[in-house]
Formats: sequence, C-alpha cells, structure tokens
Amino acid sequence: QVSLRESGPALVKPTQTLTLTCSFSGFSLTTSGMCVIWIRQPPGKALEWLARIDWDDNKYYSTSLQTRLTISKDTSKNQVVLTLTNTDPVDTGTYYCARIYGRAPISWGQGTLVTVAS
Amino acid sequence: EIVLTQSPGTLSLSPGERATLSCRANQRISSVYFAWYQQKPGQAPRLLTYGESSRAAGIPDRFSAKGTGTEFTLTISRLEPEDFAVYYCQQYAGPPETFGQGTKVEI
Repeated sequence: QVSLRESGPALVKPTQTLTLTCSFSGFSLTTSGMCVIWIRQPPGKALEWLARIDWDDNKYYSTSLQTRLTISKDTSKNQVVLTLTNTDPVDTGTYYCARIYGRAPISWGQGTLVTVAS
Repeated sequence: EIVLTQSPGTLSLSPGERATLSCRANQRISSVYFAWYQQKPGQAPRLLTYGESSRAAGIPDRFSAKGTGTEFTLTISRLEPEDFAVYYCQQYAGPPETFGQGTKVEI
C-alpha cells in the first residue's frame, strides 16, 4: 500500500530556509518511471506545482520559484526533501507531496501546514 | 507549460441535480495522464478519476470523466450533499504537472 507523509516546521521566520521531508512507503524511488512531486496550496487558493524528482535523479522546478527551490532524494531512507530559501509570508500554505508512476493512480500525502511569519 | 482553465468558477446546484465541470488545456494532452480531484475545507485533495476514465478506489459511480485533446469533463450524475466541494483538474503528462484553478460546486 502506497503511503506518503510530509513533515517539517509549522512556523518559519521570513528569510529563513524551509526544509520539508516527504517520507514514503509502498514503493521505491529506484523503480524506473517513478516520480515524486511537491505541491503547495496557500490558504483559500488553488494548488500550485513546485518541483519533481525522478527515479533517475532528474529534477524539475517551477519556473517562478526555481532559484529558491531544491529537491533531493534519499532512496535508502525512502525520503524526498524540498528546500525553499528566503521564505516570505506569501509562502504560507499547506505543502503536499505525491507519487506519480505511469498510469497508476496518483497518491498524495495529507499535507503539512507551514506559516511564514515573524 | 500546459495551462489548464476550469469553468465555471462556481457552480450553484441542488442535491439530485447533474453537475458538469470543464477543464480546457492550452495544448493537446493525452487523456491517459489526466486526473480530477475533490477537495473539502481542511482536507487534502481526494483523487476521483485518473487516466482516460478510471475511478479511484472507493469513488462512487456517479462520478465520471471523459475528454480528449484539449477538452476534459467531470460529470457528477446526481449530486449528493457530500459532493459540494471544490474540484481540480490536473495533467501529469510531463513536468510541470499543472492544475486548473478549481471549480466550486455549491448549493
């Protein structure tokens, strides 16, 4: 059974770096075709795609955020880490990770709420 | 980047009525890599349909999806009280796996 869970700080001060971890089970990020993406959702707003990492370590970033985002994986720990530098209150929202694998249904975590405030 | 535009922004209907939600892409995409989600306040998005027309586990058959090319539709045949929520479309044909801006289905 595929499961993903996001973790990270609930509160971050402006200009600090936000580090989020997606811990997963039920699949391996070494399997050809496997991908993990990060999505966020500001309060009351739509879903926004942030980044993706593939089984072969290819990485993709939102054009508007690419200078501030880094995605990485630790296959031994079954984790994907997303860092967002120089945070601002507009980065407040719920952050989700999800697995994409070909034609299989997309699996999501429950999300973690991050507030950027001083 | 593939841009998805959902319409209408808000759909006001009553229980028992039929709901038709649209999602238009700015370029052709394969329906194999298309999904619809339902989201209620304070909850994570819930996968409804994926691929050409597959329903996710536990999704009732009043939800159906179809579409091809640039036009995609989610239909709820008869609205139940628990169906009033926000619905999002997503394409995952390739990065970025973009979302529509959402359609709110309200009473």
